[in-house]
Amino acid sequence: DAKTTQPPSMDCAEGRAANLPCNHSTISGNEYVYWYRQIHSQGPQYIIHGLKNNETNEMASLIITEDRKSSTLILPHATLRDTAVYYCIVGMNTGFQKLVFGTGTRLLVSP
Amino acid sequence: NAGVMQNPRHLVRRRGQEARLRCSPMKGHSHVYWYRQLPEEGLKFMVYLQKENIIDESGMPKERFSAEFPKEGPSILRIQQVVRGDSAAYFCASSPTRLSNGNTEAFFGQGTRLTVV
Repeated sequence: DAKTTQPPSMDCAEGRAANLPCNHSTISGNEYVYWYRQIHSQGPQYIIHGLKNNETNEMASLIITEDRKSSTLILPHATLRDTAVYYCIVGMNTGFQKLVFGTGTRLLVSP
Repeated sequence: NAGVMQNPRHLVRRRGQEARLRCSPMKGHSHVYWYRQLPEEGLKFMVYLQKENIIDESGMPKERFSAEFPKEGPSILRIQQVVRGDSAAYFCASSPTRLSNGNTEAFFGQGTRLTVV
């Protein structure tokens, strides 16, 4: 599965948009981009995933570049409860069977 | 539909004892995954099971650790002769189908925090 690179930490003011980048330059074929987050001491939570097109749901938007080598998770109006570690995971090609978590981005939303 | 249920939430064991961690997947989910998270570290994959079968145990320590997912009942992660280094949060996740089809997600439980004293 393709490797991902994320900044270790980011800050965001409450109410502003949080844009979390992820590089996955070795992504191939039918590999999807998945985003999960882990709020302190809780189990990881699924946020969104996509293949080629941009995706939006009630939690966030996912923007994938045309060459699919990078993506951005957008939390349109960050709240204090969005403070968490955000993981970008690439995989789901044939044979992919499990989520492999990297180090993620620690997002701190401040008042 | 209840989420993934893990119990106990907290478990304290003395060195040398056995620890049994239970995971009840979401209704209709036949795929279970176990992860370990050491203090201040990331989530590490341990094992993937699909009803009665171990599909991938590449992350399981070679000794003392075992997992099962019987036809009836919860999945069990068993740690024999626990040592202090086993102290960690253990998370279980489930999915309705294989993750490789790209149109599903894994749902995680709240974890079991094991403390070995």
